Amino acid sequence: GAVVSQHPSWVICKSGTSVKIECRSLDFQATTMFWYRQFPKQSLMLMATSNEGSKATYEQGVEKDKFLINHASLTLSTLTVTSAHPEDSSFYICSARALALLYNEQFFGPGTRLTVL
Amino acid sequence: AQSVTQPDIHITVSEGASLELRCNYSYGATPYLFWYVQSPGQGLQLLLKYFSGDTLVQGIKGFEAEFKRSQSSFNLRKPSVHWSDAAEYFCAVAQGNSGNTPLVFGKGTRLSVIA
Repeated sequence: GAVVSQHPSWVICKSGTSVKIECRSLDFQATTMFWYRQFPKQSLMLMATSNEGSKATYEQGVEKDKFLINHASLTLSTLTVTSAHPEDSSFYICSARALALLYNEQFFGPGTRLTVL
Repeated sequence: AQSVTQPDIHITVSEGASLELRCNYSYGATPYLFWYVQSPGQGLQLLLKYFSGDTLVQGIKGFEAEFKRSQSSFNLRKPSVHWSDAAEYFCAVAQGNSGNTPLVFGKGTRLSVIA
């Protein structure tokens, strides 16, 4: 149980286009999902916290108009990178917290590698 | 603010040798601590976690970690390393069990295993 999927697993796009990444909790309901960004050989940096039915909370320095997050249901959150540029190329990882779990354990998706040409 | 320090950027061990990866955290109360492993191009897999109780925690793949409050440490250990353990290891801390609390990650330790 507690499986999180991401789609697509990798994407290549042209500069100026928008890319949508989906994060799904497959076998549990997730009230909260987190989006992280990881540059090569670096750690995960939190971008935003997404709560079902409400606006996402962005970390300092993350442009909310560029990285649009929608958490429309208890099993799906999306991250849209708008007007992507080469510097947005990165590994994007989501995680989800199970509603039924007592403790703050998060389950991570496999990640999406974005390359902007 | 919370922080996690993994002092070792890269460690190389021989297959069959023991392993200890260091992790120190900065947090006022009892933290919720995690160790994750990441293979190249992959997501994170939870190795083990500590919330309360016994300070020696057993995880998957033969890993264990010991929480030492006096040292603010949560070091990961394995008695005998296998070549398949080569990966990036991340220590993380959460402030309590609030559902809106994200994890704070250390910078990671890359483990190489040689024959």
